[in-house]
Amino acid sequence: EAGVAQSPRYKIIEKRQSVAFWCNPISGHATLYWYQQILGQGPKLLIQFQNNGVVDDSQLPKDRFSAERLKGVDSTLKIQPAKLEDSAVYLCASSYGITSGSETQYFGPGTRLLVL
Amino acid sequence: EDKVVQSPLSLVVHEGDTVTLNCSYEVTNFRSLLWYKQEKKAPTFLFMLTSSGIEKKSGRLSSILDKKELFSILNITATQTGDSAVYLCAPRAGGTSYGKLTFGQGTILTVHP
Repeated sequence: EAGVAQSPRYKIIEKRQSVAFWCNPISGHATLYWYQQILGQGPKLLIQFQNNGVVDDSQLPKDRFSAERLKGVDSTLKIQPAKLEDSAVYLCASSYGITSGSETQYFGPGTRLLVL
Repeated sequence: EDKVVQSPLSLVVHEGDTVTLNCSYEVTNFRSLLWYKQEKKAPTFLFMLTSSGIEKKSGRLSSILDKKELFSILNITATQTGDSAVYLCAPRAGGTSYGKLTFGQGTILTVHP
């Protein structure tokens, strides 16, 4: 079974530039999550999708971050404009779904973002 | 606000030692607790605990949950250098929080040969 795919793996940009990350979840997984992990901290949930609907985006800085999952499969996360404090690893995870009884989230390899 | 505290923050041991990692939590609508291992890449799933007092075991790793005292422990016996990693615990909420995971800051385990 293929795992969660993410691209790019690394990205270096200057502040005020924009950047986009892509995630393809495990086949059949209805729920998709984006996390931000700052060095030395645990992952923090940014947004959760159930199919193509947003379930929780309470911790997403909506003035600069946006995310979509238009067809209920892959997803993109965008930052515009980027700030220095956005430097982090952005992790995508997926699970079968909140009503399936299988709650385990499986993580992709992450995108390491450095904002200069 | 949900809170997760892991201790110790870091631990250095020698191969063959046994370690105990702690996780205490305060989560609204608690449903389950997950443990992950993170090396220099994505977190990999170790255990999911839903019931108090029932030990889950996988090889040299075991974990238990106490829902009354709101904590979990992860034990690793006969540690090996390959166990060196960050160990993350993440309580999972139910209800209207739709399964949200709240991660602790992690315990950094270093195992020396």
